[in-house]
Amino acid sequence: EPEVTQTPSHQVTQMGQEVILRCVPISNHLYFYWYRQILGQKVEFLVSFYNNEISEKSEIFDDQFSVERPDGSNFTLKIRSTKLEDSAMYFCASSGISGRSEQYFGPGTRLTVT
Amino acid sequence: TQLLEQSPQFLSIQEGENLTVYCNSSSVFSSLQWYRQEPGEGPVLLVTVVTGGEVKKLKRLTFQFGDARKDSSLHITAAQPGDTGLYLCAGEPRPSNTGKLIFGQGTTLQVKP
Repeated sequence: EPEVTQTPSHQVTQMGQEVILRCVPISNHLYFYWYRQILGQKVEFLVSFYNNEISEKSEIFDDQFSVERPDGSNFTLKIRSTKLEDSAMYFCASSGISGRSEQYFGPGTRLTVT
Repeated sequence: TQLLEQSPQFLSIQEGENLTVYCNSSSVFSSLQWYRQEPGEGPVLLVTVVTGGEVKKLKRLTFQFGDARKDSSLHITAAQPGDTGLYLCAGEPRPSNTGKLIFGQGTTLQVKP
């Protein structure tokens, strides 16, 4: 069964460093998303991406964040200068043309900023 | 700001009992999803409901979308220890057409053998 994959599973970085989180969405999906979940809190929407551009972004997704689909398979989230409060699980999700809201999530990347 | 409130937040029951988890909002949603999440893993999609009043069944799980599309429920019949986990509801708010999902805070279910 097709699934969303994410790498790395755990990333430790120092405050101020840049990180890139990578995702491979399900191959025939067209809509891509990033969410995050701070430990013990709700899953929060960060950004949606369709047709090579951002469809919507949340207040969390400030100028330090960017997304890119560099080729036909990868979808990346870059944080330019990490802060302690960026520590969280980051989930990539994708959905197909038949059900935009029917989103399939990857296993997540645990980002720890020290 | 659209919010989804889940209740109860924590539920501990004996194997064989029935239970219902609620997901409520004052806002209308285009669709509503139920996910299950294990510790340290991503949410796993269980079901999507899109029509007001819709009822979907997945083995012992019954999902309902409210007529006004503001609420949903998950009913489990004859719960088993394997049902233990975190259940999340998530909705696509109207009039958003970007796929953005709003999540509830989750219901932690513990089924004791």
